Amino acid sequence: QTVVTQEPSLTVSPGGTVTLTCASSTGAVTSGYYPNWFQQKPGQAPRALIYSTSNKHSWTPARFSGSLLGGKAALTLSGVQPEDEAEYYCLLYYGGAVVFGGGTKLTVL
Amino acid sequence: QITLKESGPTLVKPTQTLTLTCTFSGFSLSTSGVGVGWIRQPPGKALEWLALIYWNDDKRYSPSLKSRLTITKDTSKNQVVLTMTNMDPVDTATYYCAHSQSGYVPFDYWGQGTLVTVSS
Repeated sequence: QTVVTQEPSLTVSPGGTVTLTCASSTGAVTSGYYPNWFQQKPGQAPRALIYSTSNKHSWTPARFSGSLLGGKAALTLSGVQPEDEAEYYCLLYYGGAVVFGGGTKLTVL
Repeated sequence: QITLKESGPTLVKPTQTLTLTCTFSGFSLSTSGVGVGWIRQPPGKALEWLALIYWNDDKRYSPSLKSRLTITKDTSKNQVVLTMTNMDPVDTATYYCAHSQSGYVPFDYWGQGTLVTVSS
């Protein structure tokens, strides 16, 4: 069974920069896994942020960026805002099936 | 404007079959590349992908739940239906449906979700 691993929690100061990562139990994450990132705030449905590693949706704030870093998918938030406090999920594509990561709870403090 | 809304029972008994309907607007499931998927989230836990159906009736299922799931579409009604058999209390979760622009751009638009509780 494929497992996608994220940091359980991270803390960042307002205005700071933080990078969340997403690893696959099958090995290094490449662009062929078409990494996606989602943000979820309490009581709300998830919201798509990034698709295919680094592409932003029209509604994605410019401070969010996606990349590949050291064999993992990465989501970087630059100039973090208080409203960025949320759970973040990555999703990887495995040839027709997809798997979500366990989520990273980002605290802005 | 793409919108999706889930509907179905809020309470099911163990061993029963759950049937959920996703009714959508703002797109057609006959458009090349487009799909609709189902994702669930137990209270306080992570998202879990369940199933996806594409415009050409290609269907994909989570390997761990494949034996219990069936996804179908009714293009004329703008609906996608998910059935899950042999429900158990561990299946208690909020169930979401979501639009997929393509296989590589999944779940760009989400429904509000519906909470399903499994209890006798």
